Amino acid sequence: GAVVSQHPSWVICKSGTSVKIECRSLDFQATTMFWYRQFPKQSLMLMATSNEGSKATYEQGVEKDKFLINHASLTLSTLTVTSAHPEDSSFYICSARDLRDEQYFGPGTRLTVT
Amino acid sequence: DQQVKQNSPSLSVQEGRISILNCDYTNSMFDYFLWYKKYPAEGPTFLISISSIKDKNEDGRFTVFLNKSAKHLSLHIVPSQPGDSAVYFCAASYWQGNLIFGKGTKLSVKP
Repeated sequence: GAVVSQHPSWVICKSGTSVKIECRSLDFQATTMFWYRQFPKQSLMLMATSNEGSKATYEQGVEKDKFLINHASLTLSTLTVTSAHPEDSSFYICSARDLRDEQYFGPGTRLTVT
Repeated sequence: DQQVKQNSPSLSVQEGRISILNCDYTNSMFDYFLWYKKYPAEGPTFLISISSIKDKNEDGRFTVFLNKSAKHLSLHIVPSQPGDSAVYFCAASYWQGNLIFGKGTKLSVKP
């Protein structure tokens, strides 16, 4: 079945540094990938939608200059958290949509900013 | 290895009848379970959850049942409405709070 991977699964970084998170569709082509942030009590917030070869569409309230998204190929999207602050500490999940419009979630990346 | 499984990719139900969506998990460490509903082109929205200390949680037309011995949970929607047509994701978490999602079940409620 379709698999979505994320790397790293867990990262700790210092305040002010940047962190890149990768999302890969391993055995299918994903024209669209989504990035979510998980908040307390496990609610998910859609941050942005990225389409291969074009600029990401950000949800209201999400700073596009802080959360840089690049969807360079049909199997890879990256989320870069720039100038990270402790309040950016969270769990980031990506999902990928295949050509049949099925959506598959990645295992998530836990970011801790110290 | 899939820790959260939704074995039925799709389900079709008549309006007014009960919809039952099933989810199985393998990791006994999971202690919190959630159901999300997702419409096309939108992100999933939280629907209902249940802690492992309970075996049932009800919210209006939606009820989630948890059978820990069978590592199985189900979502019941009664009565089903056409607006309930969506993809439903089951998710589980453990102490770190990481969510593990199933692959989803597409529910179609026919008028």
